[in-house]
Amino acid sequence: NAGVTQTPKFQVLKTGQSMTLQCAQDMNHEYMSWYRQDPGMGLRLIHYSVGAGITDQGEVPNGYNVSRSTTEDFPLRLLSAAPSQTSVYFCASSQGQGWDTGELFFGEGSRLTVL
Amino acid sequence: RKEVEQDPGPFNVPEGATVAFNCTYSNSASQSFFWYRQDCRKEPKLLMSVYSSGNEDGRFTAQLNRASQYISLLIRDSKLSDSATYLCVVTIPRNRDDKIIFGKGTRLHILP
Repeated sequence: NAGVTQTPKFQVLKTGQSMTLQCAQDMNHEYMSWYRQDPGMGLRLIHYSVGAGITDQGEVPNGYNVSRSTTEDFPLRLLSAAPSQTSVYFCASSQGQGWDTGELFFGEGSRLTVL
Repeated sequence: RKEVEQDPGPFNVPEGATVAFNCTYSNSASQSFFWYRQDCRKEPKLLMSVYSSGNEDGRFTAQLNRASQYISLLIRDSKLSDSATYLCVVTIPRNRDDKIIFGKGTRLHILP
């Protein structure tokens, strides 16, 4: 059972480059989200989606775009990478709209360094 | 006041001891509560939900105090493998979805 799959696991970018972090889940979950985790800051929500075709901004959306064309996939795009976007990125999903089942399933994370 | 607050630790505890830590939340409309565990350089994983009546899962006990707006996690007979960061998670209902708030975590080191 794959669960939530993120790619790539590691990436180094130069300032100004763009890239897409991929996230796919095979659990037919409606809710998907992207977090970044920085030392001392905890997990911060970037964008989320409650279903295909619906996306919303989280706490720190600037510099990132998302789309949700299918239930399975929720890619995160960095438009013009900045050193401040150096972080560990986690994709997560849960069953149903809202979060009433209580468990958020996380991918293994993508470590991004922007030089 | 921050929405969810945790003591960052680290808590250094000898193996076999009992350790407890709390998490306070500021929004009285908070509906659901959870403890997640995150190992070093790994993703968070659900440890247990926290119910109003309190709940136990083996060596772990979670409790909710709505009046004082905090949840707690108690670990008995601690093992070396319990070393991790424990994240408090609170949800607040909104129109279309729940707002999910993560605490910054409490680091626990179990000492041999």
